[in-house]
Amino acid sequence: TQLLEQSPQFLSIQEGENLTVYCNSSSVFSSLQWYRQEPGEGPVLLVTVVTGGEVKKLKRLTFQFGDARKDSSLHITAAQTGDTGLYLCAGGSSGGSNYKLTFGKGTLLTVNP
Amino acid sequence: EADIYQTPRYLVIGTGKKITLECSQTMGHDKMYWYQQDPGMELHLIHYSYGVNSTEKGDLSSESTVSRIRTEHFPLTLESARPSHTSQYLCASWRGEGEQYFGPGTRLTVT
Repeated sequence: TQLLEQSPQFLSIQEGENLTVYCNSSSVFSSLQWYRQEPGEGPVLLVTVVTGGEVKKLKRLTFQFGDARKDSSLHITAAQTGDTGLYLCAGGSSGGSNYKLTFGKGTLLTVNP
Repeated sequence: EADIYQTPRYLVIGTGKKITLECSQTMGHDKMYWYQQDPGMELHLIHYSYGVNSTEKGDLSSESTVSRIRTEHFPLTLESARPSHTSQYLCASWRGEGEQYFGPGTRLTVT
């Protein structure tokens, strides 16, 4: 069974601060996705990374896929209150089918004004 | 923009009732999924489908059933609702490279 561990589980910061959340596994994934979910809504896809060592930027968000494709990080620069939400990472099964995703438990981020 | 819809958004129902949660997508995706999620917690896969007339149980045991008669439609049914079924139910379809589009979810409360 593939597992994804996310840390920290909860994070409360002030507006303007930087933060990093982590997604780690002992398994290799062929792709990794980050989603953000607001209360009462479905997760919204932020980014997909597929190549070991890949770095993608989305405005103030920077995503990195580990060289061995077992871990990933999400860094937010100058956090805003609108960044508040549950951040979920999800790994696509190595071996190519990608028909099912393994989700982490998520990091609940609160950005205070 | 994801074109995947779920109805109802909220449902409060008494124990023992039969309910069907609707999920539709207009993107023509073959692969669709149902997840169960408690507030602020991880998603648990309960059912998935690779196409018409194809359905499989997911990683989390569930008393619900699903059907896939049309590509765009993937309803989930609970024959006899119980308080333990209270949760949020999320439907998703597969876009490729593992990416999934999610619907807005149905918040189910069984009293």
